[in-house]
Amino acid sequence: QVQLQESGPRLVKPSQTLSLTCTVSGGSIFNGDFYWSWIRQPPGKGLEWIGHIFYSGNTHYNQSLKSRVTISQDTSKNQFSLRLTSVTAADTAMYYCARAPVTTVRFDPWGQGILVTVSS
Amino acid sequence: EIVMTQSPATLSVSPGERATLSCRASQSVRSSLAWYQQKPGQAPRLLIHGASTRATGIPDRFSGSGFGTEFTLTISSLQSEDFAVYYCQQYSNWPPLTFGGGTNVEIK
Repeated sequence: QVQLQESGPRLVKPSQTLSLTCTVSGGSIFNGDFYWSWIRQPPGKGLEWIGHIFYSGNTHYNQSLKSRVTISQDTSKNQFSLRLTSVTAADTAMYYCARAPVTTVRFDPWGQGILVTVSS
Repeated sequence: EIVMTQSPATLSVSPGERATLSCRASQSVRSSLAWYQQKPGQAPRLLIHGASTRATGIPDRFSGSGFGTEFTLTISSLQSEDFAVYYCQQYSNWPPLTFGGGTNVEIK
């Protein structure tokens, strides 16, 4: 079955750029049936959808983050990535990648998540 | 943006009892609603989609109902492994895709 795994730096300094990668195994991201998504969860808080990418490269973002977010993909490596610029302590969160069908955009499966802390 | 509101924030239930969790949407999402379970230190897991369809491998003690703006997740007889936080999510009108704030089901 499809599995997702997040990777990247766990500590980022304020004003710098957060960069994470999601590696997908058990299925290709070059698949018109799914969106490949990023979701985050600040410690002790709820879930926030960041955005997703489609196999064509088309993206959708949460307007609350849109000016700072870029999601891209590398189909040769079966990976998709998240860049979040100008980070602050408010961006400290567990970051998850997940898959969502394009017809019914619910998230399944999820990666295990990676905790990213923004601190000097 | 569709705002999802869950109640109660915390639900105290004894093992074997029924738990009823609510989720309200700020406007109609028809049946485009999913429920997730999240245990401490774990990623969320999809339980229900289409408001009432159980995801693969989900026990039948979990059931979802509702349409439009009012939804319910019922756990018919709570098992020890069911104590967790539950989130609803709408996928009717996006972006953005939005989640409720969660209900923590704790042992009474």
